[in-house]
Amino acid sequence: EPEVTQTPSHQVTQMGQEVILRCVPISNHLYFYWYRQILGQKVEFLVSFYNNEISEKSEIFDDQFSVERPDGSNFTLKIRSTKLEDSAMYFCAGEDTEAFFGQGTRLTVV
Amino acid sequence: TQLLEQSPQFLSIQEGENLTVYCNSSSVFSSLQWYRQEPGEGPVLLVTVVTGGEVKKLKRLTFQFGDARKDSSLHITAAQTGDTGLYLCAGDWDTNAGKSTFGDGTTLTVKP
Repeated sequence: EPEVTQTPSHQVTQMGQEVILRCVPISNHLYFYWYRQILGQKVEFLVSFYNNEISEKSEIFDDQFSVERPDGSNFTLKIRSTKLEDSAMYFCAGEDTEAFFGQGTRLTVV
Repeated sequence: TQLLEQSPQFLSIQEGENLTVYCNSSSVFSSLQWYRQEPGEGPVLLVTVVTGGEVKKLKRLTFQFGDARKDSSLHITAAQTGDTGLYLCAGDWDTNAGKSTFGDGTTLTVKP
């Protein structure tokens, strides 16, 4: 069964450092999303991506965040200068008629 | 900001019992999804409902979408210990936006 693959599964980074979270969506999906889930809190929408551009972003998705689909397969989320409050699980999702979530990347900012 | 409320937040029952989880909004959903999430993993889609009054069944799970498309319920019949987990509802309010707003979830514990 096709699946959304995220790497790394866990990343620890120093505050102020840049991180890139990677996702390989299912090949025939057209819509892609990033969500985050702070420990013990709800899943929060960050950004949606369609036709190689951002279609919608939330208030959380400020200038320190960016997304790319550099080679037509990988879908990345970059956090330019991480803060302690960026520590969370980050989920990538792809969708054609239904949404499929990856297993997530646990980001820990220290 | 559109809010989506789930209740109850926690539910602990004995194996074999029935239960219902609710999801409500003050706004009309264009579609609503139910997910199950295990600790440390991503949400796994259980069902999507789109039509008001729609009922979908997935083995012992029955999903209902309210006639006005503002609320939904998940009913589990004869719960098993394997049903233990976090159940999330997520709603879309804009058919073009492509994003989902998640509820806080219901943590279900089924005791043997």
